[in-house]
Amino acid sequence: EIVLTQSPGTLSLSPGERATLSCRASQSVSSNYLTWYQHKPGQAPRLLIYGASIRATGIPDRFSGSGSGTDFTLTISRLEPEDFAVYYCQQYGISPGLTFGGGTKVEI
Amino acid sequence: QVQLVQSGAEVKKPGASVKVSCKASGYTFTAYYIHWVRQAPGQGLEWMGWINSNSGGTNYAQKFQGRVTMTRDTSISTAYMELSSLRSDDTAVYYCARDLYWADYWGQGTLVTVSS
Repeated sequence: EIVLTQSPGTLSLSPGERATLSCRASQSVSSNYLTWYQHKPGQAPRLLIYGASIRATGIPDRFSGSGSGTDFTLTISRLEPEDFAVYYCQQYGISPGLTFGGGTKVEI
Repeated sequence: QVQLVQSGAEVKKPGASVKVSCKASGYTFTAYYIHWVRQAPGQGLEWMGWINSNSGGTNYAQKFQGRVTMTRDTSISTAYMELSSLRSDDTAVYYCARDLYWADYWGQGTLVTVSS
């Protein structure tokens, strides 16, 4: 079973700064199946990036994803106030179906 | 527009079962899988399993094997997740979400509280 480890656990930044979030897999993951979500309290998670680097519909271009193999990165180029949230990476496999990382909280 | 609307909050006693519904609209229900994902208080997202909305085939996370049952009723575009033998650590928000390799649309979440 693939384990996804996200770092750091918490990222303390200010609006306008750049955020770099890491997701490391315990074994190689197909880039086609590496996904990033944003999750705010009281809301459903929001799909940001799929296929490691493809922005979902309506996602601003300040969000970008990159990486391959076991190392993936979500970058937020300039933080807006609404970007402060928890971010999860996720991979798809035959068994189990979806695996989530532990999350990175981006806080002010 | 695509919507997944879940049933309301539930309070259950330990040992009981809960059944959460997820009604889909705005797309062809049988064309997409439905995942169930939960989030316990202060914890991250945890995948429980998926159901193939067309065939009814399922794939459950090993942790929930024997306790979870996912079904669907194509006539009303609704998926269901039933969890039995509830324990206090099953207290969580339960989400349904669409698609297979990732989840592009999510329900609003259903809070299930297990308490004596």
